[in-house]
Amino acid sequence: KNEVEQSPQNLTAQEGEFITINCSYSVGISALHWLQQHPGGGIVSLFMLSSGKKKHGRLIATINIQEKHSSLHITASHPRDSAVYICAPYFHNNDMRFGAGTRLTVKP
Amino acid sequence: EAQVTQNPRYLITVTGKKLTVTCSQNMNHEYMSWYRQDPGLGLRQIYYSMNVEVTDKGDVPEGYKVSRKEKRNFPLILESPSPNQTSLYFCASSFEPGELFFGEGSRLTVL
Repeated sequence: KNEVEQSPQNLTAQEGEFITINCSYSVGISALHWLQQHPGGGIVSLFMLSSGKKKHGRLIATINIQEKHSSLHITASHPRDSAVYICAPYFHNNDMRFGAGTRLTVKP
Repeated sequence: EAQVTQNPRYLITVTGKKLTVTCSQNMNHEYMSWYRQDPGLGLRQIYYSMNVEVTDKGDVPEGYKVSRKEKRNFPLILESPSPNQTSLYFCASSFEPGELFFGEGSRLTVL
């Protein structure tokens, strides 16, 4: 069964802190997306990765295919990073499932 | 400008009145998909399409239909809407595989 677990559900940080959000999934995948959803509701794709690590500005995403685990890191967090972050594994049978999301609040 | 356009953005309708939510992309993407987002349940995939005339069920396809007659368009059809289809709907597209581009969302209320 294609299942996704994401943690933590909620995260409050002070500006400048290093943030880590975790995502685990149950069976093999072909790729995994990290998405960002701001309070206005729009969804933006941050990363798609199938192996290793990707970096974009202060955001870093890693994936360990053998461990069935991915992490999203935010370095030097800023209040504008406040949003909901969602992982979305893309399973081998073309099924895409979503984590429940992590609501991040970064305080100045 | 590269974009995914959904219409309508907001709709209030009544049970049983057929409606279509349109989705159009201008990036020549092969892959298009529909999702619904509900409080406490998160995002769930309804249908997806790998290319023209190729569609497949996602996690929650019941009560919905789709078609992919042209590469750029992927409409979501609710033949007989019911209140449990009240939700926020998103369309997305990508090259396969690739970064997903989302529409702005369509908030549907079925009375």
